[in-house]
Amino acid sequence: DADVTQTPRNRITKTGKRIMLECSQTKGHDRMYWYRQDPGLGLRLIYYSFDVKDINKGEISDGYSVSRQAQAKFSLSLESAIPNQTALYFCATSSRDFDTGELFFGEGSRLTVL
Amino acid sequence: GQNIDQPTEMTATEGAIVQINCTYQTSGFNGLFWYQQHAGEAPTFLSYNVLDGLEEKGRFSSFLSRSKGYSYLLLKELQMKDSASYLCALLDSNYQLIWGAGTKLIIKP
Repeated sequence: DADVTQTPRNRITKTGKRIMLECSQTKGHDRMYWYRQDPGLGLRLIYYSFDVKDINKGEISDGYSVSRQAQAKFSLSLESAIPNQTALYFCATSSRDFDTGELFFGEGSRLTVL
Repeated sequence: GQNIDQPTEMTATEGAIVQINCTYQTSGFNGLFWYQQHAGEAPTFLSYNVLDGLEEKGRFSSFLSRSKGYSYLLLKELQMKDSASYLCALLDSNYQLIWGAGTKLIIKP
């Protein structure tokens, strides 16, 4: 089983619908992240959380919200999806000790907004 | 501001050597990372450099020059499975990762 699990893996939805992407991890890491990836662009940070009571906006948080339900769970919501939110979304984790900067990624959630 | 540049695409031959360059501009620096990402899959960590010089790890090596804002990833004895995108990422002064757009490496027989 993967250490970082994302659901759903693929989702097609319509403009205006509410969508939630879920992420759970078994690595015991405090830090969790949500990124989106678009062709020709680098990974862009949406939100990050350094522990359950700590939520921070990333580079492109507009139109998104998150919830850190537990150390192991971090959900991303699109309250009213729009077509330019069509992208590949990745959840990632890292340990509190960031010496190597290594992120552990989930397998990705491909979202299509029609 | 911060900026990372790497070539969009490179082609190399199986068994050969390829060097993927990454240049960056930043006001604060806490390390440079290389990740590998196969098509449709998650990125996976390859290397981390925070001091100048070459770090070797099997067929892959990563080099950093902080004064030049320059890094490269060197892949030796290329295999078909090395066909992937290679992502350069900078850890800035706030310990946030800033990602390059990635270099798609195509390996030909």
